[in-house]
Amino acid sequence: SQELEQSPQSLIVQEGKNLTINCTSSKTLYGLYWYKQKYGEGLIFLMMLQKGGEEKSHEKITAKLDEKKQQSSLHITASQPSHAGIYLCGADRRGGGADGLTFGKGTHLIIQP
Amino acid sequence: DTGVSQNPRHKITKRGQNVTFRCDPISEHNRLYWYRQTLGQGPEFLTYFQNEAQLEKSRLLSDRFSAERPKGSFSTLEIQRTEQGDSAMYLCASSLGGVVAGTFGPGTRLTVL
Repeated sequence: SQELEQSPQSLIVQEGKNLTINCTSSKTLYGLYWYKQKYGEGLIFLMMLQKGGEEKSHEKITAKLDEKKQQSSLHITASQPSHAGIYLCGADRRGGGADGLTFGKGTHLIIQP
Repeated sequence: DTGVSQNPRHKITKRGQNVTFRCDPISEHNRLYWYRQTLGQGPEFLTYFQNEAQLEKSRLLSDRFSAERPKGSFSTLEIQRTEQGDSAMYLCASSLGGVVAGTFGPGTRLTVL
């Protein structure tokens, strides 16, 4: 079974609207990473969350990690065409780095003008 | 800082041939990760180097896959006797210290005919 579940799988949003993407784990995480990927390209690091209840913002993107460190959300305010792409959450399950990250399947975001 | 580079960007090969990919991490980064990403999926962790030491290789998909990082600088990923199921994007990432996976390269897209 998929260790990280992302929802929704795809999202079509009108430009200027807000949106939220969710990432859920069945196990407590050591850390949670959010990345953005353009089709056919590498991943761009957005944010890392490690503490329960932590919230970080960068420009119009805000990411939160719940107190139990099992669920994270990514919120985009006033979406723009540049926000289009695939958003991936990656989990650091044990800390230390030797296991790399376990990723969800991604959320495909389309911004309609 | 020129980022993580990967070569080649695209590789088309015939089934049964050997292929080798190269990753040049950010120069001061001591950690290097290899991932594989198939269509519609998130990246899948393959192996991890800390400096020149390969600290995790059990996730390499089969004994046809091998990776090296001589002198703790660039890394190579080799696939022997390629199969059609090896067709995927191969991603490299590097980081420094406690960050599990920070900067990804653009990837090498492998097509096995």
